[in-house]
Amino acid sequence: AQKVTQAQTEISVVEKEDVTLDCVYETRDTTYYLFWYKQPPSGELVFLIRRNSFDEQNEISGRYSWNFQKSTSSFNFTITASQVVDSAVYFCALSEAEIGNSGYALNFGKGTSLLVTP
Amino acid sequence: DGGITQSPKYLFRKEGQNVTLSCEQNLNHDAMYWYRQDPGQGLRLIYYSQIVNDFQKGDIAEGYSVSREKKESFPLTVTSAQKNPTAFYLCASSIVQGQETQYFGPGTRLLVL
Repeated sequence: AQKVTQAQTEISVVEKEDVTLDCVYETRDTTYYLFWYKQPPSGELVFLIRRNSFDEQNEISGRYSWNFQKSTSSFNFTITASQVVDSAVYFCALSEAEIGNSGYALNFGKGTSLLVTP
Repeated sequence: DGGITQSPKYLFRKEGQNVTLSCEQNLNHDAMYWYRQDPGQGLRLIYYSQIVNDFQKGDIAEGYSVSREKKESFPLTVTSAQKNPTAFYLCASSIVQGQETQYFGPGTRLLVL
């Protein structure tokens, strides 16, 4: 079963629009971590944020902000005043306590491809 | 500068051939990981290693092998048993294995001739 769901496969916006990328996760653990990564066309995954399950405070970093809501198991990511350089695939990921053979591996969603046009 | 390097950037494999992907890090991280990414998909874990001379299978280890003889290096061999090896391979590392942030290399794209 998919532990991280990113329902939006592709999003296209015009520069300066705000855009929110949705992430819904599933876990039975009380201690877990959530991550967002950016994958530009070059392919390398760039770390954006890590949030633990006990910290529901929203976070803002420049034009980026994250809304963590345990009640709905969501960890959404908003880009304000989007720019062409924001065009990339964005992945949400979940890290749970050690389970089975995968230890603390990250469970990734399938990603949301964001295209920002001028 | 500290970081993770992967080589080559592109790799071509012939039928029945084993190929090895390199991953090196100078971040002094203990844990290292290999992921596979297929088009339109998230990343799936192949192998991970918590410490030198120790490694564990991930979700899709069949057809792959690894070694961890040095802290800085975690090479991945794609064997002839892997019937569908065409994919983008990403190596990552973290301070310790746990819920620490994993940092990724630039990736290797493997294509079958």
